[in-house]
This record gives sequence, structure tokens and C-alpha cells, in this order.
Amino acid sequence: EVQLLESGGDLVQPGRPLRLSCAASGFTFTSYAISWVRQAPGKGLEWVSAISGSGGTTYYADSVKGRFTISRDNSENTVYLQMNSLRAEDTAVYYCAKMPGPFIGVAGTGWFDPWGQGTLVTVSS
Amino acid sequence: DIQMTQSPSTLSASVGDRVTITCRASQSIGYWLAWYQQKPGKAPKLLIYEASSLESGVPSRFSGSGSGTDFTLTISGLQPDDFASYYCQQYKSWWTFGQGTKVEIK
Repeated sequence: EVQLLESGGDLVQPGRPLRLSCAASGFTFTSYAISWVRQAPGKGLEWVSAISGSGGTTYYADSVKGRFTISRDNSENTVYLQMNSLRAEDTAVYYCAKMPGPFIGVAGTGWFDPWGQGTLVTVSS
Repeated sequence: DIQMTQSPSTLSASVGDRVTITCRASQSIGYWLAWYQQKPGKAPKLLIYEASSLESGVPSRFSGSGSGTDFTLTISGLQPDDFASYYCQQYKSWWTFGQGTKVEIK
């Protein structure tokens, strides 16, 4: 069974860093890209970042570019999201999700299935 | 960036009703559209990809149609388990979601 398990969410002060993890199991990890998607309380879904199966290609939403870094350890079947300079507007549940193949940045390579259960990040003083 | 607009934002319906949710893209996205269902406190679940392909295990009462800029999700015979929020998502250029449609009990 394909499973994704996020961890690392916490209450953090504005300007501080936080690292989220997404541990994957049940599939050939390097054959699939992974994305992070967030959902602010009571709001809709916002794609945050994506990484290819090899880890060689990464993309970021404008709202987090320059502050967040996505990476993966293919020996540990884990994807990370390093979040720096956190802001109140980054408060959200963060989900990781598996994509249909290893490549990203090409049209048609990007629905999300399945998703992890999510981890809550609260940015507040 | 491609913007996705769903309508309505909220829909009141009864068990057994046929329900249609509309999603419009700000520019043509071909067939590169997915639909998700989300229940409170849970992660989204993929229902439809490539505009009309039903994900394995999803009941056949769910169907998707459309291409270019206009898409619909139809639930034929609403069931109690279907009261939830629904999101469309384009993957032609980056990834963007509609604002969501909440299907509530009438």
C-alpha cells in the first residue's frame, strides 16, 4: 500500500525556520516526483513546491520562493521541506503528495495521489 | 499563471440528487484537469484525472467532462458519503486549484 507520512509541524515564531519531512513507503521512491501542498485554516488548497524523482528538478510557488527549499533523500525514501523566514501567512496544514511519474515541469505530469495525512504549521508569536 | 474558478462555492442538495460543479480555467488547459474530494480534517482524495478518467476505486456515480477552459464534475445520485468539499486542479502549467465547492445537506 502506498503511504505518505508527514511530520515536523509545530508552533514557531515569525522569522524562525522549520523542517518538514515526508516519509514514503509502498512504491519505488525514485520513480515518482513528490509535491507539497498546503491549506490555511478554513481555506482552499495551494501548491507549494515539487521535486522530481531524481531530485534534480525543483519548483516553487512564488509565495515561498527564496524562503523554502525542497529536497529528497532517496536512500531514506523521504522528502523534506526546509522553511525559513516563516510568516504568519505560512500557517497551514502541509500535505505531501505523490505525482504520476518521475518528471515535473512538463505539461500533464501533475495530479496528486495519494496524499499524506498532513502536518500543522502554526506561525505565531 | 492559470487561474481556476469554481462555481458554485456552496451547493445544497439532497440524497439522490444529480449534482454538477463547474470549473473554468483562465486559459486553455487541454485535458490537464483533476478533481478531488475533501472531508473535514482529512486529506484530499483524487476522484478524476485527465478531465474524465475515473480513479481506481472511485464510485461510477462520479464523472468528469470538458476540455479547454470549461469542465464539470457530476455526481449522479448523491449519497450521504458525498457531502464534502470538491476542488478542481489544473496541471497544464504549474499546479493551481479552484477555490472549492462545498456540497452540503439541503
